[in-house]
Amino acid sequence: AQTVTQSQPEMSVQEAETVTLSCTYDTSESDYYLFWYKQPPSRQMILVIRQEAYKQQNATENRFSVNFQKAAKSFSLKISDSQLGDAAMYFCALYSNYQLIWGAGTKLIIKP
Amino acid sequence: DTEVTQTPKHLVMGMTNKKSLKCEQHMGHRAMYWYKQKAKKPPELMFVYSYEKLSINESVPSRFSPECPNSSLLNLHLHALQPEDSALYLCASSQDRYRVNTEAFFGQGTRLTVV
Repeated sequence: AQTVTQSQPEMSVQEAETVTLSCTYDTSESDYYLFWYKQPPSRQMILVIRQEAYKQQNATENRFSVNFQKAAKSFSLKISDSQLGDAAMYFCALYSNYQLIWGAGTKLIIKP
Repeated sequence: DTEVTQTPKHLVMGMTNKKSLKCEQHMGHRAMYWYKQKAKKPPELMFVYSYEKLSINESVPSRFSPECPNSSLLNLHLHALQPEDSALYLCASSQDRYRVNTEAFFGQGTRLTVV
């Protein structure tokens, strides 16, 4: 079975500081993609960053970066210089075997 | 144009009503999806259309009826819904369901309330 686990229901961080959101996954496939999506109160699901399983280099997108540990099946998201606009639900997702499997989500609170 | 447009944004309907949700994309994507999302939960897949053919129906009750008139449009027809069907309904599209590097683009959703 393919699963995605986000063990932190809620995280908070001071504005301008760094926060890391955790995600672990399980799949028997060798070819897969991992995604972090952000869903702010506006409801739209927005892709933050994605990682191809066969690439060892960690993906980065401006203030967002991932720590992809393939052997440990871990895919954490680091947000640097947190901004008020980063407040949202963050979902980790695995695309494998033609399915998109979602984690339960982490609510990120930014303290001004 | 990297948008998926959903209408309406909000819908309140009675249990005997018939209504439809609409989703449109002009990115040339050949896979389109309907998801149901309850508050603070991840989206749950309902239907997948691939090349305008229904390829997945995740055991969704027949009171939800999807339709894909063409490659850009996806509808969800609603009839005799129950209050527990109240949720955010998200539409998404991707280039091709069978490509591993497929990125899904989402609409803003329709907030449905069944009274």
